[in-house]
Amino acid sequence: GQQVMQIPQYQHVQEGEDFTTYCNSSTTLSNIQWYKQRPGGHPVFLIQLVKSGEVKKQKRLTFQFGEAKKNSSLHITATQTTDVGTYFCAGPRMGRGSTLGRLYFGRGTQLTVWP
Amino acid sequence: DAGVIQSPRHEVTEMGQEVTLRCKPISGHDYLFWYRQTMMRGLELLIYFNNNVPIDDSGMPEDRFSAKMPNASFSTLKIQPSEPRDSAVYFCASSWTGANTEAFFGQGTRLTVV
Repeated sequence: GQQVMQIPQYQHVQEGEDFTTYCNSSTTLSNIQWYKQRPGGHPVFLIQLVKSGEVKKQKRLTFQFGEAKKNSSLHITATQTTDVGTYFCAGPRMGRGSTLGRLYFGRGTQLTVWP
Repeated sequence: DAGVIQSPRHEVTEMGQEVTLRCKPISGHDYLFWYRQTMMRGLELLIYFNNNVPIDDSGMPEDRFSAKMPNASFSTLKIQPSEPRDSAVYFCASSWTGANTEAFFGQGTRLTVV
């Protein structure tokens, strides 16, 4: 069945260091979405990638969608304490029988930033 | 719009009791989702609705769980009878066109069954 795998599960960095989380799907995705959840909070949408090989930037955050549309990454340059939280990737399934509604979430990468 | 509104924010109940979680989606959104989040299993989709109709309930753990959406502005998730293993944070989310647009999550209901 559909699976979205995300690594690493945990990442601890010192403020100023870079951070990357990777997302891999067992099937082709029509799009990939990234969410951030602060401790004690709820997932908040960050961005959506749709095109093969797409790269988008939001300030210090860079998002990539793989050429085969099966993998994605989120890279944060020079982390800050405000980046603390869990980052999730999520994607719907492509192909026959796919439903429009179902988003498959990865397990998330929990980022801790030491000042 | 105030966003997706869930109630209650916290619920503590005794094993065997009925629990009802409530959700008001963002007006105009055609899709409504119920998720459960635990440390062990992460974020799990329980059920989702399109235009008030349940589309996929394959994530509902067992018959003790039921969900309804009587109209476009209200949904409930009911657990009867509740068990300690149901303790989790339950999120409701809504979106315009399902998995191809961003999902807006509510603040969640933290359920503790003792």
